[in-house]
Amino acid sequence: EDQVTQSPEALRLQEGESSSLNCSYTVSGLRGLFWYRQDPGKGPEFLFTLYSAGEEKEKERLKATLTKKESFLHITAPKPEDSATYLCAVQEETSGSRLTFGEGTQLTVNP
Amino acid sequence: NAGVMQNPRHLVRRRGQEARLRCSPMKGHSHVYWYRQLPEEGLKFMVYLQKENIIDESGMPKERFSAEFPKEGPSILRIQQVVRGDSAAYFCASSPGGDTQYFGPGTRLTVL
Repeated sequence: EDQVTQSPEALRLQEGESSSLNCSYTVSGLRGLFWYRQDPGKGPEFLFTLYSAGEEKEKERLKATLTKKESFLHITAPKPEDSATYLCAVQEETSGSRLTFGEGTQLTVNP
Repeated sequence: NAGVMQNPRHLVRRRGQEARLRCSPMKGHSHVYWYRQLPEEGLKFMVYLQKENIIDESGMPKERFSAEFPKEGPSILRIQQVVRGDSAAYFCASSPGGDTQYFGPGTRLTVL
């Protein structure tokens, strides 16, 4: 059974304090790994798709990386508006298109 | 370019009633997915549909839940005889193929 574990569960940062969120996964064959951002009361907002180990994607202050067992979401010089829950999800080769989500990391950036 | 649309945004039902949740995918997307987010839990896959076909319903409860995506109109998630445990946020996502999924704002179902 696919497993996705995110850590930490919650993270508090000061504005400008860079950090990383972790997503470790156990699948028999990775088809894709996805990062989403979710604000309270809203739907997940797509950030990145990663397909193979060594791949990196960047968008503004966010950078996602992928290894064979985990993915990191690096946040550089965060701002209060980056506060949200960050979700990691995997698609497994033999499970079709469905996404298996982790529990998320709740990020709070204080001014 | 409108995103995924879901309605209603909030739905209140009494135990035993039926709930109908609607989802209109993004323009050009023919793949629709439904996920459920129970309070204090993560998102769980329910069902994957293409026009007029259910592709994967491995996450759907065996009873009371059904989904459709007709040739014309939105996808519908139907919950019959709702119980308090059905209270959750239900999210629809769409994709142009079987890859990146884009989510709607969700329907928050409350069962009294």
